[in-house]
Amino acid sequence: AQTVTQSQPEMSVQEAETVTLSCTYDTSENNYYLFWYKQPPSRQMILVIRQEAYKQQNATENRFSVNFQKAAKSFSLKISDSQLGDTAMYFCAFMKPPNFGNEKLTFGTGTRLTIIP
Amino acid sequence: DAGVIQSPRHEVTEMGQEVTLRCKPISGHNSLFWYRQTMMRGLELLIYFNNNVPIDDSGMPEDRFSAKMPNASFSTLKIQPSEPRDSAVYFCASMTGAEGQPQHFGDGTRLSIL
Repeated sequence: AQTVTQSQPEMSVQEAETVTLSCTYDTSENNYYLFWYKQPPSRQMILVIRQEAYKQQNATENRFSVNFQKAAKSFSLKISDSQLGDTAMYFCAFMKPPNFGNEKLTFGTGTRLTIIP
Repeated sequence: DAGVIQSPRHEVTEMGQEVTLRCKPISGHNSLFWYRQTMMRGLELLIYFNNNVPIDDSGMPEDRFSAKMPNASFSTLKIQPSEPRDSAVYFCASMTGAEGQPQHFGDGTRLSIL
């Protein structure tokens, strides 16, 4: 079974600084998908970024980027120029290759990020 | 486009009562998921459907929980009888059948069983 580990339960950073959230996973699959979701205090689950394992290029979405290291099974999220609205719980998630019955996500335990004004 | 719609947003009820949570997935999405989130256990997948058919219900805690998807635009999660330990936030999510696409979540239902 796949596992996803987020080793930083809590982090805090000053506004405008850069912060990196770590995520490691365990799988024997060669092709899969990785996601970061954000859950602000409003409790919505919001997709931040998506990475395809067969693509070497790291995904980016505006101030959010990932450092995907396939051999190390590592998928960290970098937030640049952090803003107060980035305060949230961040979850890393893994999806197996797209065969029937494999659509479910395996989530990490989350990292609570606080942006300090 | 409307996102995943869940109702009610909050539910407070007494132990032993039947609780029904509702979900309308995004139009055109053919997979639907029910999750439960608690501080102790994090996000747990309860059950998921593909084309209205239950695929994996191994996460359903016990027989008091049941889920249905009578058509592509509606699903329910029912707890009968409810217990205080069922108190949690319940999320519904949906996704397309396209390869590796993300799940889109509803705003969740906060359930409190007194």
